[in-house]
Amino acid sequence: GAVVSQHPSWVICKSGTSVKIECRSLDFQATTMFWYRQFPKQSLMLMATSNEGSKATYEQGVEKDKFLINHASLTLSTLTVTSAHPEDSSFYICSAGYEGASEAFFGQGTRLTVV
Amino acid sequence: AQSVTQPDIHITVSEGASLELRCNYSYGATPYLFWYVQSPGQGLQLLLKYFSGDTLVQGIKGFEAEFKRSQSSFNLRKPSVHWSDAAEYFCAVGPMFSGGYNKLIFGAGTRLAVHP
Repeated sequence: GAVVSQHPSWVICKSGTSVKIECRSLDFQATTMFWYRQFPKQSLMLMATSNEGSKATYEQGVEKDKFLINHASLTLSTLTVTSAHPEDSSFYICSAGYEGASEAFFGQGTRLTVV
Repeated sequence: AQSVTQPDIHITVSEGASLELRCNYSYGATPYLFWYVQSPGQGLQLLLKYFSGDTLVQGIKGFEAEFKRSQSSFNLRKPSVHWSDAAEYFCAVGPMFSGGYNKLIFGAGTRLAVHP
């Protein structure tokens, strides 16, 4: 099956710093990638959809200047949390899909803790 | 409004017992339907999906789900639960078009605990 890898699996950063999370499709070209956020014991909330070479489409209520998404190639999308604060601490999950696919494939997630 | 409801936040079953996890959806049209499983600190694994055709779909790990249009439900079942099935289960819906995995709406999840 298609494999999506996220890096890092967990990260701790200081308040006010920025942190970058990578999402890679290892064995397919991902025309579309999605970023979700999951609070403890809660469901996943879609943050944004990114298509390779285009600007990401953010869901309502998601700060695009705070959560920078880049999808520069067909195998890599990055999410940068800028000027992180403790309330940004969460589990971030990416998924990726391709033309003709009937499902998206999820990464293993990144646990972000801002101290 | 589009939504997915998983009425049971937490379910505990004994190993070997049968399992049914409930999922109800509210959607403008017949959507694509998915069940995912998430182990602690991990991403999501697709158990099964329904697009069209036979309303009883088989998935991995012995799971099945039945789509009932009249009840707007897509309940997940397993005849005999194993201890390794303990995890969080999410029902999700997506729009019915090519790329229907796009913009999935997830339910709140059901945490399954399995007693030996």
